[in-house]
Amino acid sequence: EVQLVESGGGLVQPGGSLRLSCAGSGFSLSDHYMDWVRQAPGKGLEWVGRTGNKAYSYTTQYAASLKGRFTISRDASKNSLYLHMSSLKTEDTALYYCVRGNFYAGSIYPPFDYWGRGTLVTVSS
Amino acid sequence: QTVVTQEPSLTVSPGGTVTLTCASSTGAVISGNYPAWFQQKPGQAPRALIYGTANKHSWTPARFSGSLLGGKAALTLSGVQPEDEAEYYCLLYYGGAPPYVFGTGTKVTVL
Repeated sequence: EVQLVESGGGLVQPGGSLRLSCAGSGFSLSDHYMDWVRQAPGKGLEWVGRTGNKAYSYTTQYAASLKGRFTISRDASKNSLYLHMSSLKTEDTALYYCVRGNFYAGSIYPPFDYWGRGTLVTVSS
Repeated sequence: QTVVTQEPSLTVSPGGTVTLTCASSTGAVISGNYPAWFQQKPGQAPRALIYGTANKHSWTPARFSGSLLGGKAALTLSGVQPEDEAEYYCLLYYGGAPPYVFGTGTKVTVL
């Protein structure tokens, strides 16, 4: 069974940093494009960024609005994905979802088929 | 900045039919945008329903269908059930930066 479990959320002060983790099971994360999507309280879904699969050298891409503050990385040995967040702002407060993305031309997988339950990040003083 | 717009809210009676649409600020939505649809109930993660305009996941109920309609992507719910009350989001592929954009979401009320 495919599962994604996020962790690492919590309360952080403005300007602080946080690292979110996403542990995958039931499949190899290395074979898939993986995405982070966030949802501010009472708001819609916002794409944060993605990392390509092993065949595409794990290339990363981010939402322009983040202006280089977030970085996605992987640890294949742990079948895990990470989101490193720095210079956090109050507007980064949101539930962060790890998603099996695979949304690219020619993908053999359905896009965004599996989502984690999310981890809540609260940026407040 | 690309904006993907959906109806803010729609109301449908049990057993009825409702169509949600998804419009792109860049122009007509085409098959090359590979429209995808998601359902989100309160306190839950989004669940994938439709991809590639009209393809269903193995778990997607038969009453959900996707199409292109009048230059927009569309999600039709036929024979609506009370459990279909939820927020629905579309996702369109653009291939650039950003590679895709979520729609603004439609809250469907079954009343």
